Amino acid sequence: EVRLVQSGAEVKKPGATVKISCQVSGYPFIDYHMFWMQQAPGKGLQWVGLIDPADGETSYAERFQGRVSIIADRSTQTVYMEMSRLTSEDTAVYFCARGIDLRNSEFDPWGQGTLVTVSS
Amino acid sequence: QSVLTQPPSASGTPGQRVTISCSGSSSNIGSNYVYWYQQLPGTAPKILIHTNDQRPSGVPDRFSASKSGTSASLAISGLRSEDEADYYCAVWDDSLSGPVFGGGTKLTVL
Repeated sequence: EVRLVQSGAEVKKPGATVKISCQVSGYPFIDYHMFWMQQAPGKGLQWVGLIDPADGETSYAERFQGRVSIIADRSTQTVYMEMSRLTSEDTAVYFCARGIDLRNSEFDPWGQGTLVTVSS
Repeated sequence: QSVLTQPPSASGTPGQRVTISCSGSSSNIGSNYVYWYQQLPGTAPKILIHTNDQRPSGVPDRFSASKSGTSASLAISGLRSEDEADYYCAVWDDSLSGPVFGGGTKLTVL
C-alpha cells in the first residue's frame, strides 16, 4: 500500500522557520516527484513546490520562492519542506502529494496534512 | 484569487444531478489534462477524475467529467448524502510551470 505520513502540527511565532516531513512507503522513492500544497483555513489549495527525489531538483511557486526549501532524504524515504520568515498568512494545512506525472496535476495519494499555526 | 474559476457552492437533493464548472485559459485547461479532487470534511483531497474524464478504480460511475476548450465540468448524478464535500479542479499551467487549482466548490446535499 502506498502511504505518505506527515509530521505533526506545529505552532510557530512570526519570523520563525518551520520544517515538516513526509515519509513515504509502498513504492520506489525515486520514481515519482513529490509536491507540497498549502490550504489556508477555509480556503482552497495552492501549489508550494516540488522535488524530484531522484536528483534533488526542485521547483517552487513564485509566491514562495526564496522562502521555501524542499529536500529529499533517500536513506529514510522522507521529503522535507522548510518555510522561513513565517507570517500569520502562512497559517495553513500543508499536504505532501505524490505526483504521478510531472507535467500533469495527478496527485495520488496525499499525506494526511500538517497544520502550521503562526501566532505571537 | 485562483487561476481556475469554480462556483463557490452547489447544491441538490438526493437523487438529483449536479454539475460543477471549472474555467481556465489556453495556458492551462486549453493545453493540458484536467483532474478533479474530492475533499471530505477534515480530510486530505482524493483524486476523483484523471486525464479529463477517466475515473480511477473505486470511483462510482455516478461521477463523470468533460472538457471543452478552456473549460471543464464535473457531473454527479444520483446525488447521495456522502457526496457532500469540497470539489477542486486542477491542471498544469504552462505559463506558471506548476499545477493550479480552482477555488473549490462546496457541494451541499439538501
